[in-house]
Amino acid sequence: AQSVTQPDIHITVSEGASLELRCNYSYGATPYLFWYVQSPGQGLQLLLKYFSGDTLVQGIKGFEAEFKRSQSSFNLRKPSVHWSDAAEYFCAVGRQSGTASKLTFGTGTRLQVTL
Amino acid sequence: NAGVTQTPKFQVLKTGQSMTLQCAQDMNHNSMYWYRQDPGMGLRLIYYSASEGTTDKGEVPNGYNVSRLNKREFSLRLESAAPSQTSVYFCASSDKLSWNTQYFGPGTRLTVL
Repeated sequence: AQSVTQPDIHITVSEGASLELRCNYSYGATPYLFWYVQSPGQGLQLLLKYFSGDTLVQGIKGFEAEFKRSQSSFNLRKPSVHWSDAAEYFCAVGRQSGTASKLTFGTGTRLQVTL
Repeated sequence: NAGVTQTPKFQVLKTGQSMTLQCAQDMNHNSMYWYRQDPGMGLRLIYYSASEGTTDKGEVPNGYNVSRLNKREFSLRLESAAPSQTSVYFCASSDKLSWNTQYFGPGTRLTVL
């Protein structure tokens, strides 16, 4: 069975500082990996995804993530955080199920940005 | 192009009441999903529909029923609501042409008293 671990429940960074959110997954085959962001009271917005190919993927809002198969990780990074990045971030691993995809989500990391 | 829409945005029910959450997508996606989100637990899949005319159970289906009304619409019904069903419910859709990336609606916040 697939699973996702986000070890940090809550992270606080200063505006302008760099950010790395950790994600570790468990899956038997090559995974589909996603990062979503959720602002308070909102739905989930896709930041980036990895299916195959280049292990460093670029997303929206200046975010990037690196797939490391040897470490079963897909960490999210941003070189300089903005106050508007304060939100909850979810990592997910997906697998094909017929014509659908089945996602397993981590429990999320809440990011607080101090000015 | 509205993407995935959900109604209502908020709902308060009493224990034992029934209600239906509505979801529609205008992206011509084949697959649709219902999740619930509870504090500290991420999102958990309730039911999904791989294509029009099919539905399957997810991780937490007990107490829920679903209907794939047509390609655009996928509803979630609570026949007899319980306080344990207090949660935020999200609908999502995906398609193989978009590499099965799931796109989410804004959510319905449900409170069962």
